[in-house]
Amino acid sequence: QLQLQESGSGLVEPSQTLSLTCAVSGGSISSGRYSWSWIRQPPGKALEWIGYIYHIGSTYYNPSLKSRVTISVDTSKNQFSLKVNSVTAADTAVYYCARGSAANGMGVWGQGTTVTVSS
Amino acid sequence: DIQMTQSPSSLSASVGDRVTITCRASESLGNYLNWYQQKPGMAPDLLIYGASRLQSGVPSRFSGSGSGTNFTLTISSLQPEDSATYCCQQSFKTPLTFGPGTKVDV
Repeated sequence: QLQLQESGSGLVEPSQTLSLTCAVSGGSISSGRYSWSWIRQPPGKALEWIGYIYHIGSTYYNPSLKSRVTISVDTSKNQFSLKVNSVTAADTAVYYCARGSAANGMGVWGQGTTVTVSS
Repeated sequence: DIQMTQSPSSLSASVGDRVTITCRASESLGNYLNWYQQKPGMAPDLLIYGASRLQSGVPSRFSGSGSGTNFTLTISSLQPEDSATYCCQQSFKTPLTFGPGTKVDV
Protein backbone atom coordinates (compact mmCIF):
# COMPACT_ATOMS: atom_id res chain seq x y z
CA GLN A 1 0.00 0.00 0.00
CA LEU A 2 1.36 3.37 -1.00
CA GLN A 3 2.44 5.59 1.87
CA LEU A 4 3.77 9.14 1.99
CA GLN A 5 5.84 10.62 4.81
CA GLU A 6 6.79 14.27 5.20
CA SER A 7 9.99 15.31 6.93
CA GLY A 8 11.97 18.50 7.35
CA SER A 9 12.44 21.65 9.34
CA GLY A 10 9.69 22.22 11.91
CA LEU A 11 10.87 25.67 12.99
CA VAL A 12 12.07 28.23 10.48
CA GLU A 13 13.19 31.78 11.14
CA PRO A 14 11.54 34.63 9.22
CA SER A 15 13.17 35.38 5.85
CA GLN A 16 14.79 31.94 5.76
CA THR A 17 13.96 28.93 3.57
CA LEU A 18 11.48 26.20 4.50
CA SER A 19 12.56 22.76 3.24
CA LEU A 20 10.45 19.60 3.32
CA THR A 21 10.73 16.17 1.74
CA CYS A 22 8.02 13.62 1.03
CA ALA A 23 9.25 10.02 0.99
CA VAL A 24 7.17 7.59 -1.06
CA SER A 25 7.03 3.93 0.01
CA GLY A 26 5.03 0.95 -1.15
CA GLY A 27 5.18 2.06 -4.76
CA SER A 28 7.27 3.96 -7.28
CA ILE A 29 7.00 7.68 -7.77
CA SER A 30 7.66 6.99 -11.45
CA SER A 31 4.69 4.69 -12.03
CA GLY A 32 1.44 5.92 -13.45
CA ARG A 33 0.31 9.32 -14.55
CA TYR A 34 0.07 10.85 -11.11
CA SER A 35 0.84 14.29 -9.85
CA TRP A 36 2.67 14.71 -6.56
CA SER A 37 1.35 17.69 -4.63
CA TRP A 38 2.20 19.86 -1.68
CA ILE A 39 -0.76 21.33 0.21
CA ARG A 40 -0.76 23.39 3.38
CA GLN A 41 -3.29 24.32 6.05
CA PRO A 42 -2.70 27.32 8.35
CA PRO A 43 -4.15 26.93 11.84
CA GLY A 44 -7.95 27.03 11.69
CA LYS A 45 -8.00 27.74 7.97
CA ALA A 46 -8.79 25.97 4.73
CA LEU A 47 -6.48 23.81 2.67
CA GLU A 48 -4.28 25.62 0.15
CA TRP A 49 -2.65 23.86 -2.80
CA ILE A 50 0.98 24.90 -3.22
CA GLY A 51 1.89 23.03 -6.37
CA TYR A 52 2.66 19.66 -7.88
CA ILE A 53 5.26 17.83 -9.89
CA TYR A 54 5.22 14.85 -12.24
CA HIS A 55 7.94 12.23 -12.10
CA ILE A 56 9.41 13.58 -15.34
CA GLY A 57 10.00 16.87 -13.53
CA SER A 58 7.31 19.15 -14.94
CA THR A 59 5.89 21.46 -12.29
CA TYR A 60 2.76 23.56 -11.71
CA TYR A 61 2.61 26.14 -8.94
CA ASN A 62 -0.07 28.22 -7.29
CA PRO A 63 0.47 31.76 -8.64
CA SER A 64 -0.02 33.11 -5.12
CA LEU A 65 3.24 31.41 -4.07
CA LYS A 66 5.02 30.81 -7.35
CA SER A 67 7.78 33.38 -6.87
CA ARG A 68 8.90 31.73 -3.62
CA VAL A 69 8.31 28.02 -4.23
CA THR A 70 10.34 25.24 -5.80
CA ILE A 71 9.19 21.62 -6.02
CA SER A 72 11.66 18.98 -7.17
CA VAL A 73 11.68 15.21 -7.57
CA ASP A 74 14.38 12.61 -6.99
CA THR A 75 13.23 9.38 -8.62
CA SER A 76 16.35 7.53 -7.46
CA LYS A 77 15.33 8.16 -3.85
CA ASN A 78 11.59 7.86 -4.56
CA GLN A 79 10.86 11.24 -3.04
CA PHE A 80 9.91 14.80 -3.87
CA SER A 81 10.68 18.03 -2.08
CA LEU A 82 9.40 21.52 -1.36
CA LYS A 83 11.32 24.72 -0.77
CA VAL A 84 9.68 28.01 0.18
CA ASN A 85 11.93 31.06 0.27
CA SER A 86 11.65 34.23 2.33
CA VAL A 87 9.13 32.79 4.78
CA THR A 88 6.98 34.89 7.09
CA ALA A 89 4.58 34.06 9.90
CA ALA A 90 1.88 33.61 7.23
CA ASP A 91 3.70 30.45 6.09
CA THR A 92 3.08 28.79 9.45
CA ALA A 93 0.93 25.76 8.67
CA VAL A 94 0.62 22.01 8.55
CA TYR A 95 2.19 20.91 5.29
CA TYR A 96 0.92 17.80 3.51
CA CYS A 97 2.17 15.88 0.52
CA ALA A 98 -0.31 13.91 -1.58
CA ARG A 99 -0.64 11.83 -4.75
CA GLY A 100 -3.41 12.63 -7.14
CA SER A 101 -4.78 13.06 -10.60
CA ALA A 102 -7.36 15.33 -12.16
CA ALA A 103 -9.87 12.54 -12.68
CA ASN A 104 -9.37 10.73 -9.38
CA GLY A 105 -8.66 13.41 -6.80
CA MET A 106 -5.93 13.15 -4.17
CA GLY A 107 -6.32 9.67 -2.79
CA VAL A 108 -3.12 9.23 -0.81
CA TRP A 109 -1.86 11.78 1.72
CA GLY A 110 1.02 11.99 4.14
CA GLN A 111 0.22 12.52 7.80
CA GLY A 112 1.33 16.15 7.63
CA THR A 113 4.13 18.05 9.31
CA THR A 114 3.82 21.28 11.28
CA VAL A 115 6.04 24.16 10.25
CA THR A 116 6.26 27.22 12.46
CA VAL A 117 7.89 30.43 11.29
CA SER A 118 9.28 32.26 14.29
CA SER A 119 12.49 33.80 15.56
CA ASP B 1 -8.55 31.07 -10.04
CA ILE B 2 -11.71 29.01 -9.58
CA GLN B 3 -13.41 30.01 -6.33
CA MET B 4 -15.14 27.31 -4.31
CA THR B 5 -17.90 28.03 -1.81
CA GLN B 6 -19.72 25.67 0.53
CA SER B 7 -22.90 25.78 2.54
CA PRO B 8 -23.62 25.52 5.33
CA SER B 9 -20.38 26.39 7.11
CA SER B 10 -21.42 24.14 9.98
CA LEU B 11 -24.29 21.93 11.03
CA SER B 12 -25.38 19.77 13.89
CA ALA B 13 -27.45 16.65 13.30
CA SER B 14 -28.44 13.43 14.99
CA VAL B 15 -27.47 9.84 14.38
CA GLY B 16 -29.51 8.48 11.48
CA ASP B 17 -30.21 11.89 9.93
CA ARG B 18 -29.76 12.58 6.24
CA VAL B 19 -27.27 15.39 5.71
CA THR B 20 -26.56 17.36 2.55
CA ILE B 21 -23.65 19.73 1.94
CA THR B 22 -23.50 22.00 -1.09
CA CYS B 23 -20.44 23.10 -3.03
CA ARG B 24 -20.49 25.73 -5.75
CA ALA B 25 -17.75 26.67 -8.20
CA SER B 26 -17.20 30.06 -9.83
CA GLU B 27 -16.98 28.38 -13.24
CA SER B 28 -17.92 25.07 -14.76
CA LEU B 29 -15.87 22.07 -13.64
CA GLY B 30 -17.54 19.37 -15.67
CA ASN B 31 -17.35 16.60 -13.09
CA TYR B 32 -13.84 17.38 -11.82
CA LEU B 33 -15.00 17.79 -8.24
CA ASN B 34 -13.78 15.84 -5.22
CA TRP B 35 -14.92 15.60 -1.60
CA TYR B 36 -12.71 15.07 1.45
CA GLN B 37 -13.36 14.32 5.10
CA GLN B 38 -10.93 15.73 7.65
CA LYS B 39 -10.90 14.98 11.36
CA PRO B 40 -8.97 17.16 13.84
CA GLY B 41 -5.22 16.64 13.67
CA MET B 42 -5.51 14.30 10.70
CA ALA B 43 -4.86 14.51 6.98
CA PRO B 44 -7.87 14.74 4.68
CA ASP B 45 -9.36 11.50 3.36
CA LEU B 46 -10.79 11.29 -0.14
CA LEU B 47 -14.47 10.31 -0.07
CA ILE B 48 -15.77 11.08 -3.55
CA TYR B 49 -13.97 11.80 -6.82
CA GLY B 50 -15.30 12.74 -10.22
CA ALA B 51 -18.31 14.31 -8.47
CA SER B 52 -20.05 10.99 -7.80
CA ARG B 53 -17.55 8.12 -7.66
CA LEU B 54 -17.09 6.53 -4.25
CA GLN B 55 -13.47 6.08 -3.23
CA SER B 56 -12.58 2.48 -2.36
CA GLY B 57 -13.26 1.67 1.27
CA VAL B 58 -15.62 4.58 1.87
CA PRO B 59 -19.00 3.58 3.36
CA SER B 60 -21.90 3.58 0.94
CA ARG B 61 -23.85 6.08 3.07
CA PHE B 62 -21.69 8.75 1.43
CA SER B 63 -22.70 9.87 -2.05
CA GLY B 64 -21.98 12.76 -4.37
CA SER B 65 -23.88 14.35 -7.20
CA GLY B 66 -23.83 17.34 -9.49
CA SER B 67 -21.93 18.70 -12.44
CA GLY B 68 -20.91 22.05 -13.85
CA THR B 69 -20.95 24.51 -10.96
CA ASN B 70 -23.26 22.89 -8.40
CA PHE B 71 -22.43 19.80 -6.39
CA THR B 72 -23.71 18.04 -3.29
CA LEU B 73 -22.34 15.57 -0.78
CA THR B 74 -24.97 13.49 0.99
CA ILE B 75 -24.62 11.32 4.06
CA SER B 76 -27.72 9.13 4.02
CA SER B 77 -27.68 8.01 7.65
CA LEU B 78 -25.33 9.98 9.85
CA GLN B 79 -23.08 8.01 12.20
CA PRO B 80 -21.11 9.23 15.23
CA GLU B 81 -17.82 8.69 13.42
CA ASP B 82 -18.94 11.14 10.71
CA SER B 83 -18.18 14.10 12.96
CA ALA B 84 -15.60 15.92 10.86
CA THR B 85 -15.05 18.78 8.44
CA TYR B 86 -15.96 18.12 4.83
CA CYS B 87 -14.47 20.09 1.96
CA CYS B 88 -14.77 20.07 -1.78
CA GLN B 89 -11.88 20.53 -4.22
CA GLN B 90 -11.79 21.19 -7.93
CA SER B 91 -9.29 19.35 -10.09
CA PHE B 92 -10.47 20.89 -13.38
CA LYS B 93 -7.54 23.25 -13.71
CA THR B 94 -4.63 24.70 -11.82
CA PRO B 95 -4.36 26.25 -9.37
CA LEU B 96 -6.27 23.49 -7.63
CA THR B 97 -8.62 25.05 -5.09
CA PHE B 98 -10.50 23.85 -2.04
CA GLY B 99 -13.74 24.96 -0.47
CA PRO B 100 -13.68 26.48 3.02
CA GLY B 101 -15.17 23.38 4.62
CA THR B 102 -18.36 22.37 6.41
CA LYS B 103 -18.06 21.24 10.00
CA VAL B 104 -20.48 18.45 10.89
CA ASP B 105 -21.25 17.70 14.54
CA VAL B 106 -23.11 14.52 15.40
